[in-house]
Amino acid sequence: NAGVTQTPKFQVLKTGQSMTLQCAQDMNHEYMSWYRQDPGMGLRLIHYSVGAGITDQGEVPNGYNVSRSTTEDFPLRLLSAAPSQTSVYFCASSTGTGFGETQYFGPGTRLLVL
Amino acid sequence: EDQVTQSPEALRLQEGESSSLNCSYTVSGLRGLFWYRQDPGKGPEFLFTLYSAGEEKEKERLKATLTKKESFLHITAPKPEDSATYLCAVLSYNTDKLIFGTGTRLQVFP
Repeated sequence: NAGVTQTPKFQVLKTGQSMTLQCAQDMNHEYMSWYRQDPGMGLRLIHYSVGAGITDQGEVPNGYNVSRSTTEDFPLRLLSAAPSQTSVYFCASSTGTGFGETQYFGPGTRLLVL
Repeated sequence: EDQVTQSPEALRLQEGESSSLNCSYTVSGLRGLFWYRQDPGKGPEFLFTLYSAGEEKEKERLKATLTKKESFLHITAPKPEDSATYLCAVLSYNTDKLIFGTGTRLQVFP
C-alpha cells in the first residue's frame, strides 16, 4: 500500500492564482482531512470528509474548497491564493469512526504564495 | 476552549540521557490523547493513543503516560535516530476534532 499520497510536493503561486492540492489514499478509509502547519502553531484542521459526497468545515476553512467524489481522493482547492495561505499542507485519513482513530498523514505539500 | 500546550519547545540531549516531554491539556471531556512523531519534511507518524488517566503505553525507548491534566512522553536512553519533533493532540467530546500542540523538537547528539 502507498498509504496517503500528496501532489505536488512544492508549489509557488502568485497572489490571486488558483490551484488544487491532490490527496489520495489506498487504505479504503472513510475519514479524510486537510490540515495546515505553520511555524509556532499546531496543525489546524481546514476541511474534512466522513465519506464520499460528505464534507464539512474545520477550524480554518476560509479560502479553501473541497469535494469528495470517491473514497480514495480528497482534493483541496485554493480559489484565489493569498500570502496568508503560505504554509505546509497535510492530508490525513483514518478509519470509519473518525478522529478518534489513528490518523495516517501524507508527506505534505509546501506552498509559497508571493 | 480546548487547549494543548507542549513543553519544552526544544530539547537537546546527549545520547543515553533520559528525559521527558510534557503535554498539558484543557478540554471539556477527554476522548483521547495522541502522540505523533514528525521528521523534518515529512508528515506526522502515529505513536500512541491514551484514553484514561493512569494509562501507560510503551514502544521501544518511548513511554507515554496520562493524568487528568497532562501527558508525558518519557524517552529512555535516547539515540540520535530519536531526533524529531514530537506532537501531542487531544480529542474532546466537545469539539470532536483533534487539537494539536505546537510540538517539542528533540535533538539527540552522539
